[in-house]
Amino acid sequence: GAVVSQHPSWVICKSGTSVKIECRSLDFQATTMFWYRQFPKQSLMLMATSNEGSKATYEQGVEKDKFLINHASLTLSTLTVTSAHPEDSSFYICSARDQGRFTEAFFGQGTRLTVV
Amino acid sequence: AQSVAQPEDQVNVAEGNPLTVKCTYSVSGNPYLFWYVQYPNRGLQFLLKYITGDNLVKGSYGFEAEFNKSQTSFHLKKPSALVSDSALYFCAAGGGGTASKLTFGTGTRLQVTL
Repeated sequence: GAVVSQHPSWVICKSGTSVKIECRSLDFQATTMFWYRQFPKQSLMLMATSNEGSKATYEQGVEKDKFLINHASLTLSTLTVTSAHPEDSSFYICSARDQGRFTEAFFGQGTRLTVV
Repeated sequence: AQSVAQPEDQVNVAEGNPLTVKCTYSVSGNPYLFWYVQYPNRGLQFLLKYITGDNLVKGSYGFEAEFNKSQTSFHLKKPSALVSDSALYFCAAGGGGTASKLTFGTGTRLQVTL
Protein backbone atom coordinates (compact mmCIF):
# COMPACT_ATOMS: atom_id res chain seq x y z
CA GLY A 1 0.00 0.00 0.00
CA ALA A 2 0.86 3.65 -0.01
CA VAL A 3 2.65 5.14 2.99
CA VAL A 4 1.45 8.14 4.94
CA SER A 5 3.60 9.42 7.76
CA GLN A 6 2.43 11.72 10.52
CA HIS A 7 4.60 13.64 12.94
CA PRO A 8 4.79 13.96 15.87
CA SER A 9 3.18 10.85 17.34
CA TRP A 10 2.42 12.69 20.52
CA VAL A 11 2.82 16.21 21.82
CA ILE A 12 2.12 18.01 25.06
CA CYS A 13 1.73 21.77 24.98
CA LYS A 14 0.66 24.55 27.27
CA SER A 15 -2.65 26.35 26.91
CA GLY A 16 -2.41 29.29 24.58
CA THR A 17 0.41 27.94 22.47
CA SER A 18 0.19 26.61 18.93
CA VAL A 19 1.05 23.14 17.74
CA LYS A 20 1.84 21.99 14.22
CA ILE A 21 1.20 18.46 13.00
CA GLU A 22 2.68 17.23 9.75
CA CYS A 23 1.26 14.68 7.34
CA ARG A 24 3.46 13.39 4.55
CA SER A 25 2.82 11.04 1.68
CA LEU A 26 6.11 9.20 1.41
CA ASP A 27 5.83 7.28 -1.85
CA PHE A 28 3.20 9.15 -3.79
CA GLN A 29 1.88 12.60 -4.50
CA ALA A 30 -1.36 13.60 -2.86
CA THR A 31 -3.34 16.52 -4.18
CA THR A 32 -5.87 15.91 -1.44
CA MET A 33 -5.38 14.95 2.18
CA PHE A 34 -7.90 14.63 4.95
CA TRP A 35 -7.69 15.56 8.62
CA TYR A 36 -9.73 13.72 11.21
CA ARG A 37 -10.22 14.07 14.91
CA GLN A 38 -10.99 11.13 17.14
CA PHE A 39 -12.33 11.42 20.65
CA PRO A 40 -11.83 8.59 23.14
CA LYS A 41 -13.89 5.56 22.26
CA GLN A 42 -15.52 7.39 19.38
CA SER A 43 -15.38 7.38 15.64
CA LEU A 44 -13.39 9.59 13.36
CA MET A 45 -14.76 13.03 12.66
CA LEU A 46 -13.69 14.61 9.41
CA MET A 47 -12.40 18.08 10.16
CA ALA A 48 -11.27 19.29 6.77
CA THR A 49 -10.10 18.39 3.31
CA SER A 50 -6.67 19.73 2.49
CA ASN A 51 -6.13 20.73 -1.13
CA GLU A 52 -2.67 21.27 -2.56
CA GLY A 53 -2.16 24.85 -3.63
CA SER A 54 -5.55 26.08 -2.50
CA LYS A 55 -7.62 26.65 0.57
CA ALA A 56 -8.77 23.77 2.70
CA THR A 57 -12.42 22.83 2.84
CA TYR A 58 -13.66 22.69 6.42
CA GLU A 59 -16.55 20.65 7.70
CA GLN A 60 -19.43 22.38 9.37
CA GLY A 61 -18.66 23.35 12.91
CA VAL A 62 -14.89 23.28 12.54
CA GLU A 63 -13.24 26.60 13.24
CA LYS A 64 -11.01 27.62 10.36
CA ASP A 65 -8.99 30.08 12.42
CA LYS A 66 -8.49 27.52 15.12
CA PHE A 67 -7.33 24.69 12.93
CA LEU A 68 -5.11 26.09 10.22
CA ILE A 69 -4.36 23.77 7.33
CA ASN A 70 -1.63 24.29 4.79
CA HIS A 71 -0.99 22.00 1.84
CA ALA A 72 1.97 23.67 0.19
CA SER A 73 3.34 20.68 -1.68
CA LEU A 74 2.11 17.43 -3.16
CA THR A 75 3.58 15.45 -0.29
CA LEU A 76 2.96 17.57 2.77
CA SER A 77 -0.05 18.91 4.59
CA THR A 78 0.13 20.55 8.00
CA LEU A 79 -2.49 21.12 10.65
CA THR A 80 -1.78 23.87 13.16
CA VAL A 81 -3.87 24.02 16.29
CA THR A 82 -3.71 27.67 17.29
CA SER A 83 -4.09 28.99 20.81
CA ALA A 84 -4.65 25.49 22.06
CA HIS A 85 -6.94 24.79 24.99
CA PRO A 86 -7.45 21.62 27.01
CA GLU A 87 -10.61 20.84 25.05
CA ASP A 88 -8.46 20.58 21.92
CA SER A 89 -6.78 17.55 23.44
CA SER A 90 -7.54 14.67 21.14
CA PHE A 91 -6.15 12.18 18.65
CA TYR A 92 -5.65 13.71 15.23
CA ILE A 93 -5.27 11.52 12.15
CA CYS A 94 -4.54 12.39 8.54
CA SER A 95 -5.17 10.35 5.43
CA ALA A 96 -4.44 10.52 1.74
CA ARG A 97 -5.16 8.57 -1.39
CA ASP A 98 -2.71 7.54 -4.05
CA GLN A 99 -5.23 8.03 -6.81
CA GLY A 100 -2.97 6.54 -9.42
CA ARG A 101 -2.67 3.17 -7.69
CA PHE A 102 -5.30 2.61 -5.02
CA THR A 103 -8.94 3.30 -4.36
CA GLU A 104 -8.57 3.17 -0.61
CA ALA A 105 -7.21 5.89 1.61
CA PHE A 106 -4.14 5.35 3.76
CA PHE A 107 -3.75 6.81 7.18
CA GLY A 108 -0.96 8.30 9.20
CA GLN A 109 -0.07 6.93 12.60
CA GLY A 110 -2.01 9.66 14.37
CA THR A 111 -0.95 12.39 16.78
CA ARG A 112 -1.99 12.41 20.41
CA LEU A 113 -2.29 16.06 21.47
CA THR A 114 -2.50 16.91 25.14
CA VAL A 115 -2.99 20.53 26.14
CA VAL A 116 -2.18 21.32 29.76
CA ALA B 1 -26.40 12.42 3.23
CA GLN B 2 -24.53 9.19 3.56
CA SER B 3 -24.25 7.24 6.77
CA VAL B 4 -22.66 4.10 8.13
CA ALA B 5 -23.94 2.14 11.09
CA GLN B 6 -22.09 -0.37 13.21
CA PRO B 7 -24.74 -1.61 15.61
CA GLU B 8 -22.40 -3.35 18.03
CA ASP B 9 -20.04 -1.43 20.29
CA GLN B 10 -18.22 -4.61 21.15
CA VAL B 11 -18.03 -8.16 19.89
CA ASN B 12 -16.61 -10.92 22.04
CA VAL B 13 -15.47 -14.20 20.56
CA ALA B 14 -13.29 -17.09 21.63
CA GLU B 15 -10.10 -17.78 19.74
CA GLY B 16 -10.66 -20.25 16.96
CA ASN B 17 -14.33 -19.36 16.56
CA PRO B 18 -15.71 -17.47 13.58
CA LEU B 19 -16.33 -13.78 13.99
CA THR B 20 -18.68 -11.28 12.38
CA VAL B 21 -18.61 -7.52 12.75
CA LYS B 22 -21.69 -5.88 11.32
CA CYS B 23 -21.98 -2.83 9.13
CA THR B 24 -24.86 -1.26 7.23
CA TYR B 25 -24.67 1.75 4.99
CA SER B 26 -26.77 4.38 3.32
CA VAL B 27 -25.19 6.12 0.35
CA SER B 28 -26.38 7.54 -2.91
CA GLY B 29 -25.20 5.92 -6.08
CA ASN B 30 -22.76 3.05 -6.15
CA PRO B 31 -21.15 2.61 -2.75
CA TYR B 32 -17.46 2.28 -2.15
CA LEU B 33 -17.10 0.33 1.10
CA PHE B 34 -14.07 -0.23 3.29
CA TRP B 35 -13.01 -1.89 6.50
CA TYR B 36 -10.17 -0.54 8.59
CA VAL B 37 -8.61 -1.75 11.83
CA GLN B 38 -7.13 0.45 14.54
CA TYR B 39 -4.78 -0.63 17.30
CA PRO B 40 -4.37 1.55 20.42
CA ASN B 41 -2.88 4.97 19.71
CA ARG B 42 -2.30 4.14 16.08
CA GLY B 43 -3.75 5.20 12.77
CA LEU B 44 -6.09 3.07 10.73
CA GLN B 45 -4.90 0.13 8.71
CA PHE B 46 -6.72 -0.86 5.55
CA LEU B 47 -8.23 -4.36 5.58
CA LEU B 48 -10.39 -4.66 2.50
CA LYS B 49 -12.73 -2.88 0.13
CA TYR B 50 -15.71 -3.39 -2.11
CA ILE B 51 -15.92 -1.34 -5.26
CA THR B 52 -17.65 -3.57 -7.74
CA GLY B 53 -17.70 -7.21 -8.79
CA ASP B 54 -17.91 -10.23 -6.50
CA ASN B 55 -19.94 -9.71 -3.40
CA LEU B 56 -17.46 -11.64 -1.28
CA VAL B 57 -14.29 -9.65 -0.82
CA LYS B 58 -11.13 -11.07 0.68
CA GLY B 59 -8.64 -8.89 2.48
CA SER B 60 -5.67 -8.84 4.81
CA TYR B 61 -5.01 -11.18 7.74
CA GLY B 62 -7.66 -13.68 6.65
CA PHE B 63 -10.56 -11.24 6.85
CA GLU B 64 -13.34 -11.13 4.32
CA ALA B 65 -16.54 -9.17 3.90
CA GLU B 66 -19.80 -9.79 2.12
CA PHE B 67 -21.51 -7.02 0.23
CA ASN B 68 -25.30 -7.36 0.25
CA LYS B 69 -27.00 -4.74 -1.81
CA SER B 70 -30.56 -5.63 -0.86
CA GLN B 71 -29.75 -5.42 2.84
CA THR B 72 -27.28 -2.54 2.37
CA SER B 73 -24.81 -4.42 4.51
CA PHE B 74 -21.10 -5.07 4.41
CA HIS B 75 -20.33 -7.37 7.32
CA LEU B 76 -16.76 -8.25 8.18
CA LYS B 77 -15.99 -11.90 8.81
CA LYS B 78 -13.19 -14.25 9.68
CA PRO B 79 -13.50 -18.04 9.88
CA SER B 80 -11.18 -18.44 12.86
CA ALA B 81 -10.43 -15.57 15.23
CA LEU B 82 -7.04 -14.94 16.82
CA VAL B 83 -6.28 -13.11 20.04
CA SER B 84 -4.15 -10.74 17.97
CA ASP B 85 -7.29 -9.71 16.05
CA SER B 86 -8.46 -7.84 19.13
CA ALA B 87 -8.72 -4.20 18.04
CA LEU B 88 -11.14 -1.49 16.97
CA TYR B 89 -12.75 -2.00 13.58
CA PHE B 90 -14.24 0.71 11.43
CA CYS B 91 -16.52 0.40 8.45
CA ALA B 92 -16.43 3.31 6.00
CA ALA B 93 -18.32 4.32 2.91
CA GLY B 94 -17.77 6.66 0.03
CA GLY B 95 -20.89 7.59 -1.86
CA GLY B 96 -21.54 8.32 -5.49
CA GLY B 97 -18.82 6.05 -6.70
CA THR B 98 -16.04 7.95 -5.03
CA ALA B 99 -13.70 7.08 -2.21
CA SER B 100 -12.59 10.62 -1.70
CA LYS B 101 -14.77 11.61 1.23
CA LEU B 102 -15.38 8.76 3.61
CA THR B 103 -18.05 8.43 6.24
CA PHE B 104 -17.09 6.18 9.12
CA GLY B 105 -19.18 4.05 11.40
CA THR B 106 -18.79 4.43 15.14
CA GLY B 107 -16.45 1.48 15.37
CA THR B 108 -16.74 -1.96 16.92
CA ARG B 109 -14.29 -3.24 19.47
CA LEU B 110 -13.43 -6.86 18.86
CA GLN B 111 -12.25 -8.82 21.87
CA VAL B 112 -10.88 -12.29 21.21
CA THR B 113 -10.18 -14.40 24.26
CA LEU B 114 -8.42 -17.70 24.80
